Amino acid sequence: GAGVSQTPSNKVTEKGKYVELRCDPISGHTALYWYRQSLGQGPEFLIYFQGTGAADDSGLPNDRFFAVRPEGSVSTLKIQRTERGDSAVYLCASSPVSYSLTGELFFGEGSRLTVL
Amino acid sequence: LAKTTQPISMDSYEGQEVNITCSHNNIATNDYITWYQQFPSQGPRFIIQGYKTKVTNEVASLFIPADRKSSTLSLPRVSLSDTAVYYCLVGSALNAGNMLTFGGGTRLMVKP
Repeated sequence: GAGVSQTPSNKVTEKGKYVELRCDPISGHTALYWYRQSLGQGPEFLIYFQGTGAADDSGLPNDRFFAVRPEGSVSTLKIQRTERGDSAVYLCASSPVSYSLTGELFFGEGSRLTVL
Repeated sequence: LAKTTQPISMDSYEGQEVNITCSHNNIATNDYITWYQQFPSQGPRFIIQGYKTKVTNEVASLFIPADRKSSTLSLPRVSLSDTAVYYCLVGSALNAGNMLTFGGGTRLMVKP
């Protein structure tokens, strides 16, 4: 595709439910990143993949959050036992090479998660 | 982690030059400085990146003094469509966590 695609664009769920958010990066981009953005705040780093492996998952807030990228392309962010505080926009970004000195990340439009 | 400090908000008028300064007092030798722009309901978009002195592209200029403890993003002749949040990031390929850390950003409001 032309850009980073994220689905769903909006997700409303109830407290305690399980949620999956999908990211389809730009074709050929080896690096993939997940961020979380709360209203009025800057994006908060969650996890970074290089290929299939998580190179840096230091931003995941707790063990309810997990992300996979089994074939080195599409990634899924999984949130178990959702809490109201998980409500945010979840942004995905990709870049063409790992540890790129250009620092240019290409972002999707995000998935807005609302936990009631 | 290299921390950045930016003004929370700025106002300007169409046609003016806007300069947004970012402080990064503990920048490391290998760190680069990167700026992103974000519109409502969109992901951030890369604007410019630099290491020292001055960098210019078709959108903006980035000024970095010799001590590299601050940087200034310069937007020439802004228009209403430049109203957005601007983020300064500092980091290097040697420490991906720094490279990927956004602060609170500067909300620029351009008025007619």
